[in-house]
Amino acid sequence: KAGVTQTPRYLIKTRGQQVTLSCSPISGHRSVSWYQQTPGQGLQFLFEYFSETQRNKGNFPGRFSGRQFSNSRSEMNVSTLELGDSALYLCASSSMGLGLGSTEAFFGQGTRLTVV
Amino acid sequence: QKEVEQDPGPLSVPEGAIVSLNCTYSNSAFQYFMWYRQYSRKGPELLMYTYSSGNKEDGRFTAQVDKSSKYISLFIRDSQPSDSATYLCAMSHLNTGNQFYFGTGTSLTVIP
Repeated sequence: KAGVTQTPRYLIKTRGQQVTLSCSPISGHRSVSWYQQTPGQGLQFLFEYFSETQRNKGNFPGRFSGRQFSNSRSEMNVSTLELGDSALYLCASSSMGLGLGSTEAFFGQGTRLTVV
Repeated sequence: QKEVEQDPGPLSVPEGAIVSLNCTYSNSAFQYFMWYRQYSRKGPELLMYTYSSGNKEDGRFTAQVDKSSKYISLFIRDSQPSDSATYLCAMSHLNTGNQFYFGTGTSLTVIP
């Protein structure tokens, strides 16, 4: 069974540019969530999508946005990049359904974004 | 105060030792508790998933949840050099999906 696939693995962008990251969840999983990981703050929740709808959102500025497609693949976009956006961006895939509590979430390898 | 507190370590133990990793939390609504292992430059790997209080064992790993004390633990028996990694605790509320609250991680080194 294929795991969670994130592309690209590495990105270098210039301040002010925008970037789009992609996540393909485990087959059959309908929930995709995104996290930012930095040495100082650890893993911080960005947002979660389930069946193409954003279900939860963390405390990040509006420059961070996402979407989910009908095949459950998800993209995350960051506009007007700042140096502080340099981080490992992780997506997690879960099979949980509506009205249920959390189930196991499986992470991808992440996309390491460097803003220069 | 962060909702989840985890001693960052680093923790260094000899091979074969029993390792105890711990997290405390402040939100009594947390009901789902997970432990992840993260190797350098890799994504977190799910080790244990526990609902509510109690113990769960999987091979050399045992997870304990004490909701009355708001305290969770991961024990690793017969530790191996391959266990050297950062261990992250995570927890969530009912019906909040995959909005997990993570500890900052404990760095573990098992010395051969």
